Amino acid sequence: EVQLVESGGGLVQPGGSLKLSCAGSGFTFTDSAIHWVRQASGGGLEWVGRIRSKPRNYATEYAASVKGRFIISRDDSENTAYLQMNSLRAEDTALYYCTRLQGGSVFDYWGQGALVTVSS
Amino acid sequence: QSALTQAASVSGSPGQSITLSCTGTSSDVGSYKLVSWYQLHPGKAPKVMIYEVTKRPLGVSDRFSGSKSGNTASLTISGLQTEDEADYYCCSYGGDSIWVFGGGTKLTVL
Repeated sequence: EVQLVESGGGLVQPGGSLKLSCAGSGFTFTDSAIHWVRQASGGGLEWVGRIRSKPRNYATEYAASVKGRFIISRDDSENTAYLQMNSLRAEDTALYYCTRLQGGSVFDYWGQGALVTVSS
Repeated sequence: QSALTQAASVSGSPGQSITLSCTGTSSDVGSYKLVSWYQLHPGKAPKVMIYEVTKRPLGVSDRFSGSKSGNTASLTISGLQTEDEADYYCCSYGGDSIWVFGGGTKLTVL
């Protein structure tokens, strides 16, 4: 069974940092591009960014709203991807999902999400 | 890249058919056959209902179908059932390795 499990969410002050993890199982993690998508309370889904697989040089890409503040990485030996969030703002408060992009066309499996709250 | 445009809410009665729309631009929906639709129930992981505009994943009811015309994609749900009540989001590739989602439509089955 394919599973993605996020962890590391919590409360952080504005300007602070937080690192989310996304553990994958039930599929060949090393072959998969992992994306992060967030949903603010009462809001829609917003694509945050992605990291490709090793054959594609672990290339990363980010949404304009987080570029320069967020960093996506992965440790294939642990089947885990990470989302390092720096210089956090109130508007980054959201439920953060990790998801797998299959065949370059569909986000076929998603985690349950990790809640990040940025507040003083 | 701006979010795709979806109606905030739509409602229907059991057994009815409804169509949700998703409007983008010539840079996203209009340029790629990479439109997908996701169903979100509170507290549950998102579930893909349609991908590549018209394809249905294994296990998704054939009551769900997708289409696209120009810059607008559509999700049609026929024979509405109470369990279809959820939030639905469209998504499109936007070029330059960027993906864009819609604002979501809340479907109420009366």
